[in-house]
Amino acid sequence: QSALTQPASVSGSPGQSITISCTGTSSDVGSYNLVSWYQQHPGKAPKLMIYEGSKRPSGVSNRFSGSKSGNTASLTISGLQAEDEADYYCCSYAGSRWVFGGGTKLTVL
Amino acid sequence: EVQLVESGGGLVQPGGSLRLSCAASGFTFSSYWMSWVRQAPGKGLEWVANIKQDGSEKYYVDSVKGRFTISRDNAKNSLYLQMNSLRAEDTAVYYCARVGATNQFDYWGQGTLVTVSS
Repeated sequence: QSALTQPASVSGSPGQSITISCTGTSSDVGSYNLVSWYQQHPGKAPKLMIYEGSKRPSGVSNRFSGSKSGNTASLTISGLQAEDEADYYCCSYAGSRWVFGGGTKLTVL
Repeated sequence: EVQLVESGGGLVQPGGSLRLSCAASGFTFSSYWMSWVRQAPGKGLEWVANIKQDGSEKYYVDSVKGRFTISRDNAKNSLYLQMNSLRAEDTAVYYCARVGATNQFDYWGQGTLVTVSS
C-alpha cells in the first residue's frame, strides 16, 4: 500500500498559479475517478478542497481546480493568495481502502 | 452543522491499549460510512480504517490489521477505534472523518493525539 507521489514543496507569488501533481498507479488513481484533495494549515484538521478529481465542495473558492490524466492527478490553484499557504494532500480511493500522497508544502512568496 | 469530536487519546506504553471515541452531530450518522485517519508528528496523512453504515463491513490498512478494531454505535452517534498491542510507530494524531457519497473525506474532527512511549 504505497503512498501516492507528490512533490515535497512548491512555491509561487501572490496572483500566480501553481500546480501540484499526484502520481499513483493503475490500481488507484488510474482505476478510479475518485481522487480528492485536502488543505491542511499547521495544527488544524484537513479540509476537503476537491473530490471526484475535479469537483469543488460548496464554499471552496473556484481558484481551486483538479484534473486527472492516466495515473496522475493534479491540483491547480490560480490567483495565489497568502492564505493558500498550507500543506496539500491528494488521496485516491483504491477499492475498500484509501491511499494518500505524502503531502506538498505550498509557500506563497 | 456537522461536528465530529474525538476523545480518548493520551500516553500509553508500547504493548498497551487505548480506545478512541468520536462523537458525531449535525447529520444522520447511521447513513454514512465513517473512517479513522492518522498523522504521525511532522508526517503525512494515512488512512487507518473505515466502517459501513450498519457496521457489517470493516476495512483496515495492513499495518493495523489484527491490532485495531473499528466499531460504531448508531444509537449514540458514536464511532470508536480500539487499539491494542500499540507500537511506537502508532504515535499520531487520530482523526475521525465522515466518508462522503463518492468516497471523499468530507468532514473531519479536530483530532486526538496518541503517544506510544515508555
